[in-house]
Amino acid sequence: AQSVSQHNHHVILSEAASLELGCNYSYGGTVNLFWYVQYPGQHLQLLLKYFSGDPLVKGIKGFEAEFIKSKFSFNLRKPSVQWSDTAEYFCAVIIYNQGGKLIFGQGTELSVKP
Amino acid sequence: DSGVTQTPKHLITATGQRVTLRCSPRSGDLSVYWYQQSLDQGLQFLIQYYNGEERAKGNILERFSAQQFPDLHSELNLSSLELGDSALYFCASSPNRGASSPPAFGSGTRLTVV
Repeated sequence: AQSVSQHNHHVILSEAASLELGCNYSYGGTVNLFWYVQYPGQHLQLLLKYFSGDPLVKGIKGFEAEFIKSKFSFNLRKPSVQWSDTAEYFCAVIIYNQGGKLIFGQGTELSVKP
Repeated sequence: DSGVTQTPKHLITATGQRVTLRCSPRSGDLSVYWYQQSLDQGLQFLIQYYNGEERAKGNILERFSAQQFPDLHSELNLSSLELGDSALYFCASSPNRGASSPPAFGSGTRLTVV
């Protein structure tokens, strides 16, 4: 079955530290890739998306992600985190030609210490 | 604000009861998705409707059912509730039925079964 794996369950960083959250998916065909963020008590918000083209995509709030097809990976990065980045981050895929349903990873909780 | 509206925000009910969760999609969106978020299962896709028709089904229990009405709002009905059904239920919407637009999420309904 298709699945999405996020490497870290909980990451704790100090402000200004760099962030990289790992994401791998298991599907050999065409996928669209996404990162969503869920701030405490809020709904899921789209951070960035990859459909095709340049494998390095930039999203909101200084986040970026790199799609490496050979590794089935879509890792999220931010050079310098802020306390306000404290949230849960979800990697997700939509499999092409299987409708629009998102398959989510387990989520990574990011805590940024001021 | 994502434009997707879910009611109620919170619901507390007893085992064996039936509840209805309501979702109004973002203006112009034809697809509605339902997801369940729980601590042990993470974010799970339940079902998708597109313009009134069921489009895709995920891990939805037989005790659960959904529909999308002509005005495009959707309802998720949960019956014979069990303690394990306690979770956050998200609705999401997108303009079409496929993978080209990532869904926008509502704020969720937190269901507690006691």
